[in-house]
Amino acid sequence: SYLVTQSTSVSVAPGQTAKITCGGPDIERKIVHWYQQKPGQAPVLVIFYDEDRPSGIPERFSGSNSGNMASLTISGVEAGDEADYYCQVWDTVTAHRVFGGGTKLTVL
Amino acid sequence: QVQLVESGGGVVQPGRSLRLSCAVSGVIFSDYPMHWVRQTPDKGLEWVAFISHDGTNRNYADFVKGRFSISRDNSENRQYLQMNSLTTEDTALYYCASDGGGGSFDHWGQGTLVTVSS
Repeated sequence: SYLVTQSTSVSVAPGQTAKITCGGPDIERKIVHWYQQKPGQAPVLVIFYDEDRPSGIPERFSGSNSGNMASLTISGVEAGDEADYYCQVWDTVTAHRVFGGGTKLTVL
Repeated sequence: QVQLVESGGGVVQPGRSLRLSCAVSGVIFSDYPMHWVRQTPDKGLEWVAFISHDGTNRNYADFVKGRFSISRDNSENRQYLQMNSLTTEDTALYYCASDGGGGSFDHWGQGTLVTVSS
């Protein structure tokens, strides 16, 4: 089955830019989605179809997928962005959905 | 707004069964494919099962191995997960989630906790 890898943690100061990456075989040919999860809460979709933002998600959140790596970029990081972030891929071969292990974003 | 509310979790012995339920409101339920996703501290988020909007198409994660069955009742705006032959590895918080297209999950419930323990 398809495997997705994420770095375990990223730390940034407020106002800086955080980049969270997600890797996998030929991931640039896959559709990637990103979720934010704060402690005690359910995940929230923040980026879908590689780069689209659902309504209500700030423009500070952006996504890309090229060069064998998918990325979630958060510009002007705020304290409220501290959370776990998960990438998720749709493996169209099996129709299975696969999550990365999650990246903990710490705002210093 | 869209609301998903899971129920049916609890403590169960290994080898026993449990049936989870998810009540959906705020959308035309029969238009939406649905999923179950689970989460543990060790393994993180894991997709469990999918059911098409009309229930004719279902798909399961490999670890289900024929033990779980997803179903839905569009007249009741509910989906279900029947879990049989439970093991300690199935201990997790189980989320109900709606399909957002492209394999994504656009709305989530708050989860129901399943603990498999003797």
